[in-house]
Amino acid sequence: GAGVSQSPSNKVTEKGKDVELRCDPISGHTALYWYRQSLGQGLEFLIYFQGNSAPDKSGLPSDRFSAERTGGSVSTLTIQRTQQEDSAVYLCASSLRQGAIGNEQFFGPGTRLTVL
Amino acid sequence: DAKTTQPPSMDCAEGRAANLPCNHSTISGNEYVYWYRQIHSQGPQYIIHGLKNNETNEMASLIITEDRKSSTLILPHATLRDTAVYYCIVSEHGSSNTGKLIFGQGTTLQVKP
Repeated sequence: GAGVSQSPSNKVTEKGKDVELRCDPISGHTALYWYRQSLGQGLEFLIYFQGNSAPDKSGLPSDRFSAERTGGSVSTLTIQRTQQEDSAVYLCASSLRQGAIGNEQFFGPGTRLTVL
Repeated sequence: DAKTTQPPSMDCAEGRAANLPCNHSTISGNEYVYWYRQIHSQGPQYIIHGLKNNETNEMASLIITEDRKSSTLILPHATLRDTAVYYCIVSEHGSSNTGKLIFGQGTTLQVKP
């Protein structure tokens, strides 16, 4: 079956512009996560959605970052007024439900964002 | 911060077993040990998880010490395609936990022909 998909695969933007990154989770997965991976760094948690519950935004680095999840499925991560330090690979993952034992997360291929 | 410590890199000969260690000395009773790997330019991939018993699946085996302060991931017959960064993660479970993963730097495993 289809896995997690993300678009675009690559995005080059100019400093100060806004960008939107999209994630399509696996059908039926209620939990959705965004992570980012800067060059040579490990993965950093950004935000988490579970059903209709309030999202966990504890990992968002600044108020320029926001995310929404419409209809409990597709999610969009928006970065306003991009800065060069925002350059990274942004990864989306989904799982059947939050916190369940053995609830493996399935990751998408990521969006590589480059801010010039 | 990550709650685990792993060696930054390891080499393994193709066809031999790869044994990747992980220290998690501050692990709590309700935390599981997870292993993921990330092949170059791809998203992370789940491998295996365990609480206190040893676990085995089609990809690997997980050996957890009796005091649960360390574990070892074993790839029984490493292939070139197993070259990747391997992450050891501890994570709580339950409906009140988000299940978010806190990644450390991982171990870069290089499988050599």
